[in-house]
Amino acid sequence: AQSVTQLDSHVSVSEGTPVLLRCNYSSSYSPSLFWYVQHPNKGLQLLLKYTSAATLVKGINGFEAEFKKSETSFHLTKPSAHMSDAAEYFCVVSDRVKDTGNQFYFGTGTSLTVIP
Amino acid sequence: EAQVTQNPRYLITVTGKKLTVTCSQNMNHEYMSWYRQDPGLGLRQIYYSMNVEVTDKGDVPEGYKVSRKEKRNFPLILESPSPNQTSLYFCASSRRHREVGETQYFGPGTRLLVL
Repeated sequence: AQSVTQLDSHVSVSEGTPVLLRCNYSSSYSPSLFWYVQHPNKGLQLLLKYTSAATLVKGINGFEAEFKKSETSFHLTKPSAHMSDAAEYFCVVSDRVKDTGNQFYFGTGTSLTVIP
Repeated sequence: EAQVTQNPRYLITVTGKKLTVTCSQNMNHEYMSWYRQDPGLGLRQIYYSMNVEVTDKGDVPEGYKVSRKEKRNFPLILESPSPNQTSLYFCASSRRHREVGETQYFGPGTRLLVL
């Protein structure tokens, strides 16, 4: 069965320090993995995605994520947090499900707080 | 501009009063989906549609209906809303259903309160 686990429901960092948001997944096939960001009272915006090409994926706003198959992880990082990064972040797995095609599975989200 | 639109954005209603939340995309996407977002639960899929006249249940379909008569529209219908359907709802679309790695594009969300 497919599942996504975001290991921290809340992360708090100081402005200018690194960000690490953790995501582990389980999948029966070769999944695609996404990170989405949701700012307060906004919809979900795609940050980056992995689709079996390079394992280190660069996204928008300086974020990147590394796909590690051996660890079944897809952690999101950024070298230096900015106040505008404060938001909710969702890790998503896209996987083939027999007879129904492609399906998306969401983690429960990580709320990032950036302290001035 | 390529986008997914939802209406209304905010809605307060009472138990049992039928309502429809519309969703429309202008990207000629085959796949459309409805999610609800609740604190601590992330996004859970309600219904999805692989193409016109093809719909199927997601993880939490009870109390909801959908239809896909046109490619661009995918309305969510609550025949008899109940307070446990108070939530934030998102519509999403993607180009093809059977391609792993296709990005989903999300609407701005509809915040529903059922009294």
